[in-house]
Amino acid sequence: DAGVIQSPRHEVTEMGQEVTLRCKPISGHNSLFWYRQTMMRGLELLIYFNNNVPIDDSGMPEDRFSAKMPNASFSTLKIQPSEPRDSAVYFCASNTDANQPQHFGDGTRLSIL
Amino acid sequence: QKEVEQNSGPLSVPEGAIASLNCTYSDRGSQSFFWYRQYSGKSPELIMSIYSNGDKEDGRFTAQLNKASQYVSLLIRDSQPSDSATYLCAVNGPGNQFYFGTGTSLTVIP
Repeated sequence: DAGVIQSPRHEVTEMGQEVTLRCKPISGHNSLFWYRQTMMRGLELLIYFNNNVPIDDSGMPEDRFSAKMPNASFSTLKIQPSEPRDSAVYFCASNTDANQPQHFGDGTRLSIL
Repeated sequence: QKEVEQNSGPLSVPEGAIASLNCTYSDRGSQSFFWYRQYSGKSPELIMSIYSNGDKEDGRFTAQLNKASQYVSLLIRDSQPSDSATYLCAVNGPGNQFYFGTGTSLTVIP
């Protein structure tokens, strides 16, 4: 079975540009999670969806970040405008319910110059 | 107090030895516990899940859970250089949230 699929794998862009990260969860998984990982802060939960509905977005750093899940097989995380401090690896993960493990995509390595 | 605490290490063990990784958590309501392995530049990969008090063994890996002490550990027997990675402890929280520790870096010395 295909795992969680993220795109792009790498993104390098200039400060102020809009960045869109994409995620396709594992088929049949009804929860989707967006994380950010840095050396300084570790793995941080940004937002998670259950049945396409955002449940907790308290980890979203500020209004420059937004996330959508228009259907069960697709989600986006958008940063507009981007800043150098947004540079990190962004992971998407999915699972079936609260007691099941989350499965991670390969991540998007984002560099904002 | 963080929800999940891990010793960041680095932990170094010789090849063939037992590596012991520890994790404590603060939410007494947590029911699900996971260990993930993350190689440098890669994504976290699930290696063990444990839900009940006691030990759970899978090959060279043993997870141990003590809910009374709010403590979960991972033992790696016959450590190999390929086990060198960062190990993340994860605990379920409210709703479908997971709390992740900051990870323990393990190096197995040949």
